[in-house]
Parts: sequence; structure tokens; C-alpha cells
Amino acid sequence: EIVMTQSPATLSVSPGERATLSCRASQSVSSNLAWYQQKPGQAPRLLIYGASTRATGIPARFSGSGSGTEFTLTISSLQSEDFAVYYCQQYNNWPVTFGQGTKVEIK
Amino acid sequence: EVQLVESGGVVVQPGGSLRLSCAASGFTFDDYAMHWVRQAPGKGLEWVSLISWDGGSTYYADSVKGRFTISRDNSKNSLYLQMNSLRAEDTALYYCAKGTGDTGQDAFDIWGQGTMVTVSS
Repeated sequence: EIVMTQSPATLSVSPGERATLSCRASQSVSSNLAWYQQKPGQAPRLLIYGASTRATGIPARFSGSGSGTEFTLTISSLQSEDFAVYYCQQYNNWPVTFGQGTKVEIK
Repeated sequence: EVQLVESGGVVVQPGGSLRLSCAASGFTFDDYAMHWVRQAPGKGLEWVSLISWDGGSTYYADSVKGRFTISRDNSKNSLYLQMNSLRAEDTALYYCAKGTGDTGQDAFDIWGQGTMVTVSS
């Protein structure tokens, strides 16, 4: 099983600032990496797939990069609605596995 | 509107059985693989099971293999999860999710709101 490790566990950011979230895979997942956003009491929402392709309706301030084992989600200028938990997921190998999540909180 | 609606979650005793359902609408159901993903209270996401577009291929997490069975009825636009020999550690919010492709080796672009399963005596 591929282990996905996200860092940091919690990121404190001021509105308008840039946030950078990291995700590392225990072995290469090529570009088969997705990012999800989850707010309290809501289902996860797909942000990025294929490591760098924004899903339908996702604002341009969200961007993904990386391949192989190292990936990054960048939120260029945090809006109030962006404070949430973010998960990475690899779908290159079975079983599909998720990272433990990064909570982005208001500084 | 593209939508997934889960149902069937209840409180059940350890060792009991339960069947979850997921009703799909707003997209061509039999074009896509479907998944179940669960989230224990206050915890992260755990993939549970996948079924291919035609039901011909199924996969399970080791934690549920041999106890859970995924199935689908494309004529009813519905996905199911039969859960047997339930344990306390199966307590979670269960989501159904749509894959972006037909094989299941892809991201999940549509999620339901989840149905809560509590295993407790």
C-alpha cells in the first residue's frame, strides 16, 4: 500500500496570503494525484486531478504541481471560504490511498 | 443537477449486517466506476471499495475484504454496499463517490453527503 504523507498537519495563514501544502508518496504515483477540500459537515470536493488539472468550477487561485513522489497544492491568495481541511489522494495503485489531511486555519 | 444520495445508515450491533444504497442522478450512471469512501468521526478519509462501470470488476480495502460486497444496478442508477460482520471500527460516515472514468483508477469528482453507520451494542 502506498502511504501518502501530508505536511504540515496545520497551516495558519492570514486572508490574502499564499498557502503551500505538501504531499509525499512512499513510492512513485506518476501524476495520478488528486487534491480535495473538505469543510466541516460537508463532503469532500475535488480541486485538482492529474496532479495539476483544476476540476470544473475551481478558481484559478488553486494550483497543483509535482509528479512521482512529491506534490504541492498552492492557494495563491487565501479567501475566507478556503479555510478547510485538504487531502491528497493517489489513484495510481490499488488500494487508492489518502493523506491524513492538512488543516488550513485563520492566523 | 448531478447528484448522489446515500441512505441506509443506522445504529447496528457488532456482528450485524447492513445494506447501504446510493441513488445517482444527473449523469449517465453506467459510464462510470463508482466508489465507497468512509470517514470515522474526527478522522480522515478511507477508501472502501470500487466497482467498475459494468460491475465486472470490484476491489476492496483489506480492512473490509470478505465482509463487505459492492454492487450496482445500472437500470436503477443505484450503487450498493452490503456490510456483514460489522465491527466497532466500521463506525463512520459512508460516502459514495463517482469516478471520473470507467475503470475506477481515477479521481472522485462527485460525492454524496454521506450516511452514518454506527456499530455499537
